[in-house]
Amino acid sequence: DQQVKQNSPSLSVQEGRISILNCDYTNSMFDYFLWYKKYPAEGPTFLISISSIKDKNEDGRFTVFLNKSAKHLSLHIVPSQPGDSAVYFCAAKRRKKLTFGTGTRLTIIP
Amino acid sequence: DGGITQSPKYLFRKEGQNVTLSCEQNLNHDAMYWYRQDPGQGLRLIYYSQIVNDFQKGDIAEGYSVSREKKESFPLTVTSAQKNPTAFYLCASSPEDSYGNTIYFGEGSWLTVV
Repeated sequence: DQQVKQNSPSLSVQEGRISILNCDYTNSMFDYFLWYKKYPAEGPTFLISISSIKDKNEDGRFTVFLNKSAKHLSLHIVPSQPGDSAVYFCAAKRRKKLTFGTGTRLTIIP
Repeated sequence: DGGITQSPKYLFRKEGQNVTLSCEQNLNHDAMYWYRQDPGQGLRLIYYSQIVNDFQKGDIAEGYSVSREKKESFPLTVTSAQKNPTAFYLCASSPEDSYGNTIYFGEGSWLTVV
């Protein structure tokens, strides 16, 4: 069963606009949520995380929102830049074990 | 430089052969992980180890084996029992931290079985 889902395999956004990537999960025992960015043939790099006791965390252009009642989190990138084009994975953590979503390929259009 | 080193980057093997992927970290992290990435499937956990001489199966451990004899090393063996071994393999590590909020990945290893 897929405990972490990213239902949009791809997303295209105009440069300068907001990119919103979504993620849903089913296990209410997850205690931390993370977003990773991945370029082809490279390892993922950590972007931003949020504890399950919070509903928002901001770091520069990146903001993650958590809605526990809906078991939903989202990553906002504002403004979007060409270098943001990559695959984004959300991940949920419980007892040091990370479960990843299937990823969303974000393409920023100049 | 501190980091996670995976080798080789690219590996070709004949069907039926075992192959071992190396992962070394000099971050002094206690926990280490192996993930596999297939197109459209995200990252799936194969094995993880929270401490030396101990490891646990992840979600897709069948056909794989690991060892953790040293803190800095966590090699993964892809055995002939693994039905679809061709994939991109990622090693990762994380510090011992009760609030642990991230893990760090290596650059990955491409394994192609022909």
